[in-house]
Amino acid sequence: TQLLEQSPQFLSIQEGENLTVYCNSSSVFSSLQWYRQEPGEGPVLLVTVVTGGEVKKLKRLTFQFGDARKDSSLHITAAQPGDTGLYLCAGATATDSWGKLQFGAGTQVVVTP
Amino acid sequence: EAGVVQSPRYKIIEKKQPVAFWCNPISGHNTLYWYRQNLGQGPELLIRYENEEAVDDSQLPKDRFSAERLKGVDSTLKIQPAELGDSAVYLCASSLQQIGNEQFFGPGTRLTVL
Repeated sequence: TQLLEQSPQFLSIQEGENLTVYCNSSSVFSSLQWYRQEPGEGPVLLVTVVTGGEVKKLKRLTFQFGDARKDSSLHITAAQPGDTGLYLCAGATATDSWGKLQFGAGTQVVVTP
Repeated sequence: EAGVVQSPRYKIIEKKQPVAFWCNPISGHNTLYWYRQNLGQGPELLIRYENEEAVDDSQLPKDRFSAERLKGVDSTLKIQPAELGDSAVYLCASSLQQIGNEQFFGPGTRLTVL
């Protein structure tokens, strides 16, 4: 059973469209991270959020951490084919030892030209 | 600066055979992780090292899996004997202890057990 539930599992859109993926849990996280993983590669960190209600922007990507620190979303504006990949959220709970991350199953995003 | 290096990239073995994976973390990173990623799933932690010490191996199937990190640098993960269900991608990651806990991942070893 995944501690973090990601939705949707799969998302296919056209270049230029917007998309949002979600990461939800019943647990409270001290920090939450978003990674992108491309085929044959390991995940690459995109952002870390640590404060409830926090919003971070990275070019066309906007990350939001829920007020209760139980959920997060990733919004991509004007998606490009280079945004294609598996988007993973990962959280550290207050009860976990430092360095232990729980990963969600990921959302596979495909952006077609 | 070189990233996390893993070898081999691919390995195909028959069940009941042994297999070993090697990881060289980013220079200076004292924390090293081994994850297993099944198809369609996120990575699951197998073991975490702080320098030479395994500080979290609660998810490591100890009857067949073993790991070591000699001198607190390179690490090896071994499976003996391998089972069909061990087919997965084995990822190594490293990090410094810091706020945000950014982990840097290697490309992984894709294991297929026939």
